[in-house]
Amino acid sequence: DSGVTQTPKHLITATGQRVTLRCSPRSGDLSVYWYQQSLDQGLQFLIQYYNGEERAKGNILERFSAQQFPDLHSELNLSSLELGDSALYFCASSVEAGVETQYFGPGTRLLVL
Amino acid sequence: ILNVEQSPQSLHVQEGDSTNFTCSFPSSNFYALHWYRWETAKSPEALFVMTLNGDEKKKGRISATLNTKEGYSYLYIKGSQPEDSATYLCAFNYGGSQGNLIFGKGTKLSVKP
Repeated sequence: DSGVTQTPKHLITATGQRVTLRCSPRSGDLSVYWYQQSLDQGLQFLIQYYNGEERAKGNILERFSAQQFPDLHSELNLSSLELGDSALYFCASSVEAGVETQYFGPGTRLLVL
Repeated sequence: ILNVEQSPQSLHVQEGDSTNFTCSFPSSNFYALHWYRWETAKSPEALFVMTLNGDEKKKGRISATLNTKEGYSYLYIKGSQPEDSATYLCAFNYGGSQGNLIFGKGTKLSVKP
């Protein structure tokens, strides 16, 4: 157990809908990262927050957004969902925002029908 | 486009065999190289973070080396056991203080008893 929690574990929804994925980092970690794992793709970096501020952005679609709250938990919002958004979404956290070990949560498996 | 390549894609060995895999990454803008172990239905588990050229890290029967000048890292497993069966991921940190990682697609190791 990495200490990073994610909810829900599984999510099934329809195209066009909006969902919110939640992540609580390890106690004391200030940085949160979101990654997407699609079929036949490696883990793709989406976005990073550090102490409430956006720090880095990867190939995140405009339909997706995220935020990190004062208690350091983070939410990833996915809207106007398409079939191709079906994937495993991981959250990871680290103490700071540099070259440190990132600890991964259990992931949320999203299925868009 | 920054790319991380891992080889082989999959590997089948017998219990007791020693094995190694390769991770190739861009040799410029290097900040760190991460190795993760990912078992099916679990989340990626951090093995090593390596930052210096010539770095060698060891954790039990698993060790890794790093060559930043030529852009490769090797992961070695000595005396493979069935519980070593997993996908081994490497990830390249090019963003420095930003910490976001580019992952390879992994090497899937199966160890037969």
